[in-house]
This record gives sequence, C-alpha cells and structure tokens, in this order.
Amino acid sequence: EVQLVESGGGLVQPGGSLTLSCKASGFSFSDHYMNWVRQAPGKGLEWVGRTRNKAYGYTTTYAASVKGRFIISRDDSKKSLFLQINSLKTEDTAVYYCAREGSHDTSGYAFDVWGQGTVVTVSS
Amino acid sequence: SYELKQPPSVSVSPGQTARITCSGDAFPDQFGYWYQQKSGQAPVLVIYKDTERPSGIPERFSGSSSGTTVTLTISGVQAEDEADYYCQSPDSNDSSWVFGGGTKLTVL
Repeated sequence: EVQLVESGGGLVQPGGSLTLSCKASGFSFSDHYMNWVRQAPGKGLEWVGRTRNKAYGYTTTYAASVKGRFIISRDDSKKSLFLQINSLKTEDTAVYYCAREGSHDTSGYAFDVWGQGTVVTVSS
Repeated sequence: SYELKQPPSVSVSPGQTARITCSGDAFPDQFGYWYQQKSGQAPVLVIYKDTERPSGIPERFSGSSSGTTVTLTISGVQAEDEADYYCQSPDSNDSSWVFGGGTKLTVL
C-alpha cells in the first residue's frame, strides 16, 4: 500500500525548534519530489516547500512566508522526508502534511499521495 | 505574490450540478489541480492537469479551463460530496506551488 506517515508534532514554546518526519512506504520514494503543506486551524491549505529528487540535486524551494526558518531534507535510504522548523511562532500552529508529487505520466506532478498530518501547536 | 481566487462557498441541492471556479494569472500557461478535503481528513486529488481524473474518482467530477480560470464541476451532487475544495497551480516560474483559499461545498 502506498502510504505516507508523519510524526514529530507536539506542543512547543515560541522561539523553539522542531523536526517533523514523514515515512514513505509502498513506492519508490527516491524517484519523487516531496512537499510539505500546512493548514492552520480553520484555515486553508498553505504550501510550505518542496525537495526535488537526486536527479535534480535534491534542490529545495520554500514559500516566502517560511523561507529562512524552515529546512526540508530527505534520506532516500530511509525513505524519509524531514521538516526542521526553527524560531517557532504562534502562527506556525497547524497540521503539517507531507505530500508526494506524482510523475508527469500518472498525475501531471499533482500531489497524489498525502499523509494523515501531524499537529504542531506553538504556545507558551 | 501569486494568488488563486476561489469563491468561499457554493451550495447546491442533491442531484444538481456544482461549479467551483478558480482564477489565476498563471492560467492557461500552467495546469490547474483540484483537491477535496472532508472534515478532519487529509486532502484527496480529484482533478489534475485541468481535466484529468485520477483512478477511483467518480465520473461526476470533471474539470475544465478557459482563459485565466479553471473550473471544477460536480454533476449529480451527492451528500458525500460535501467538503472543502482547493485549487492549486504552480506559479508562472514553476518555482513554487500555490493553493486557492478553498471553497466550502454545502449540499442542501
């Protein structure tokens, strides 16, 4: 079964740091670009950033709202994606999803597989 | 910054047709994508590349594109279609992804 499972969320104080993980199974993780998307309580989806695959140098891009504080990385040997969040703010409170970017042939690079999300709460 | 604009809400009765629009300056140069999110669940892809439907998505879901607007159409709406729907596209430089603000579909 194709699956993504996030972990690492929790309650964190403002100014703190947190690393989220996303474990993939059931597909060739190393072939795919991978993304993080977040959703604040009662709000819409917000794209956070993406890492390309090895063929494209594992390059990363970020939304302007998180650039400089968020770091996306991956370990293809462990089929895992990571999101390091630094200098946490109350407005970072959200459900964080990892999502697979599909291939051109099957889904035209759409986000075709999503995890169930992990909740990050930033509060003192 | 690049934005995608959707109506906040659409309401239809069961069996009717629901149309949800999404406008953005990157269309039609970029493709549009649509996701369904039911309460408390992760999003699910329902339309990709403007008009394509993933396997497992009912035929009543369809997509179209005209100028700077992409549209999700749900024909013969069912109660189970009540959800939030989000459009998505890359920006014009292909450097980032953008989601629309979401449309809440209510089945009366």
